[in-house]
Amino acid sequence: GQQLNQSPQSMFIQEGEDVSMNCTSSSIFNTWLWYKQDPGEGPVLLIALYKAGELTSNGRLTAQFGITRKDSFLNISASIPSDVGIYFCAAMNYGGSQGNLIFGKGTKLSVKP
Amino acid sequence: KAGVTQTPRYLIKTRGQQVTLSCSPISGHRSVSWYQQTPGQGLQFLFEYFSETQRNKGNFPGRFSGRQFSNSRSEMNVSTLELGDSALYLCASSLAPFTGMGEQYFGPGTRLTVT
Repeated sequence: GQQLNQSPQSMFIQEGEDVSMNCTSSSIFNTWLWYKQDPGEGPVLLIALYKAGELTSNGRLTAQFGITRKDSFLNISASIPSDVGIYFCAAMNYGGSQGNLIFGKGTKLSVKP
Repeated sequence: KAGVTQTPRYLIKTRGQQVTLSCSPISGHRSVSWYQQTPGQGLQFLFEYFSETQRNKGNFPGRFSGRQFSNSRSEMNVSTLELGDSALYLCASSLAPFTGMGEQYFGPGTRLTVT
């Protein structure tokens, strides 16, 4: 079945560093979404992408919809302690009756000891 | 306005039992989707309800079922529980059927442990 390969699985950040993570698939999607989940809470949508090649920012976060429609990446610039959490990519093909979200396994951001 | 609420937040059940989880969407939202989250499989879509009708269904066995009431509140039922059903069950609501456009809002989840 369809699956998303998200990398890295985990990473440590130092305040002020830039962070990059990406998601790839062998399938084509027309929607890519990025979520953040904090402990004990549900995911919160960060950025939504609907067009191949689209680059969208939300504050210090920037995400791009890959031109092949099989991948997406998320960048966080000048990280701060509250960026810690688990980031998920998700993709879907909307329309019809079969649209549903497929999620990556997540990238866990932690603070460098 | 109040967010998505899920009850109970934590639940412990025994193999073979059944369980019912509840989700109250944001006021005015008519679509409710359910997801299962486990460390091994990650987040997986279960089903979506809109206007009391199941609109989409993921690849889960028939032991997983749901329903939606006229006030948009939704319940999810799992019968004959298995150890592998231990997971965080999340529900999300949106104004209209979630197609990727617009946003769906997640609740905090119900942590189900099957022993």
